[in-house]
Amino acid sequence: DQQVKQNSPSLSVQEGRISILNCDYTNSMFDYFLWYKKYPAEGPTFLISISSIKDKNEDGRFTVFLNKSAKHLSLHIVPSQPGDSAVYFCAASETGANSKLTFGKGITLSVRP
Amino acid sequence: EPEVTQTPSHQVTQMGQEVILRCVPISNHLYFYWYRQILGQKVEFLVSFYNNEISEKSEIFDDQFSVERPDGSNFTLKIRSTKLEDSAMYFCASSEAPSYGYTFGSGTRLTVV
Repeated sequence: DQQVKQNSPSLSVQEGRISILNCDYTNSMFDYFLWYKKYPAEGPTFLISISSIKDKNEDGRFTVFLNKSAKHLSLHIVPSQPGDSAVYFCAASETGANSKLTFGKGITLSVRP
Repeated sequence: EPEVTQTPSHQVTQMGQEVILRCVPISNHLYFYWYRQILGQKVEFLVSFYNNEISEKSEIFDDQFSVERPDGSNFTLKIRSTKLEDSAMYFCASSEAPSYGYTFGSGTRLTVV
């Protein structure tokens, strides 16, 4: 039951270039989407989020795009830096007082110097 | 920056034994969660806790699992009789409100032998 899918397990990008991480979802009740970054031996760290009423949210080098009709979101990192190398998880929730997060499997991003 | 603290960082236990995983959420947060990640798999929701009671739990969170907030600062996950398949990283998280995004702890690696 993969409600949140990150179909590419890994991505390798040259430093300075753009990284595009994709995520698809199937549950049309999801209305809030988040990206988390995770280093080995650490917990996930919140990166950026977007509400379903928006189609874009930007925070510094990170931009998340949401295409509701396609049930697709993407995270753009520009420019990519070696320190961005980590596992990136897409997560989604339904608005509510105790909304749980449903995570994708994650994408391992490697940024080559 | 406030953080969620989890202890121990690594716990090894024999199958059938009880374990208690401990978490200290961020002090002004009201919503608490446990997630787990089996090696190589996605982060999975276990349980959410608000106002001193469980607000939602997954099918993974069966009768062997329980949560407690014993003293207003700690938040514990107890597994009564561990099984080999309980081996995973267990992450505690807390939030002021779910739409603000969670803060995760660094996790407890549970190894059941």
